[in-house]
Amino acid sequence: GAVVSQHPSRVICKSGTSVKIECRSLDFQATTMFWYRQFPKQSLMLMATSNEGSKATYEQGVEKDKFLINHASLTLSTLTVTSAHPEDSSFYICSARDRRTNEKLFFGSGTQLSVL
Amino acid sequence: GENVEQHPSTLSVQEGDSAVIKCTYSDSASNYFPWYKQELGKRPQLIIDIRSNVGEKKDQRIAVTLNKTAKHFSLHITETQPEDSAVYFCAARSRSGYSTLTFGKGTMLLVSP
Repeated sequence: GAVVSQHPSRVICKSGTSVKIECRSLDFQATTMFWYRQFPKQSLMLMATSNEGSKATYEQGVEKDKFLINHASLTLSTLTVTSAHPEDSSFYICSARDRRTNEKLFFGSGTQLSVL
Repeated sequence: GENVEQHPSTLSVQEGDSAVIKCTYSDSASNYFPWYKQELGKRPQLIIDIRSNVGEKKDQRIAVTLNKTAKHFSLHITETQPEDSAVYFCAARSRSGYSTLTFGKGTMLLVSP
């Protein structure tokens, strides 16, 4: 199946710093990528939808100035958590939709963010 | 928007037994229903999916059924094995907007040897 690479897998940062997470589709083009947040033992909460070459669409309650999303190419989307605080600590996971099928969704391996 | 309910939240079975997880959705326009398996600390993996023009799909020990009239779909795992232990998420895709997936809350399946 298609491969989605997400880096870093784990990051620990100080409060107030910014963290960038990358999501790449390795063997397919993804016109749309999605960013989720997952708390322990809970479901995937969609944060935003990222379309190549256009502004991301954020879900209600998600601060777009805090969670900056850039989808510069058909294979790369980035999520930057700006001025991170301890409450931003979570598992962030991206997914990409295969342009060929425009249906199946493949997930990155996730990033565990810990803000001290 | 779409709302997906998933039951049960936890399911414990003995190895060899069958496991059934059920989901309901609210948007009658939804047309694609995938199931994902997520092991602890790992990415969700697509295990099976079904489209609204099909009532049932099977892949070895895994099957999914869809009842469009009742707006519910189910995952069936037969001859369960300890390695089936994981969290399973159902999802539904609405045709509106960017066709995002709405996920159920997940079912933790524990298969005891």
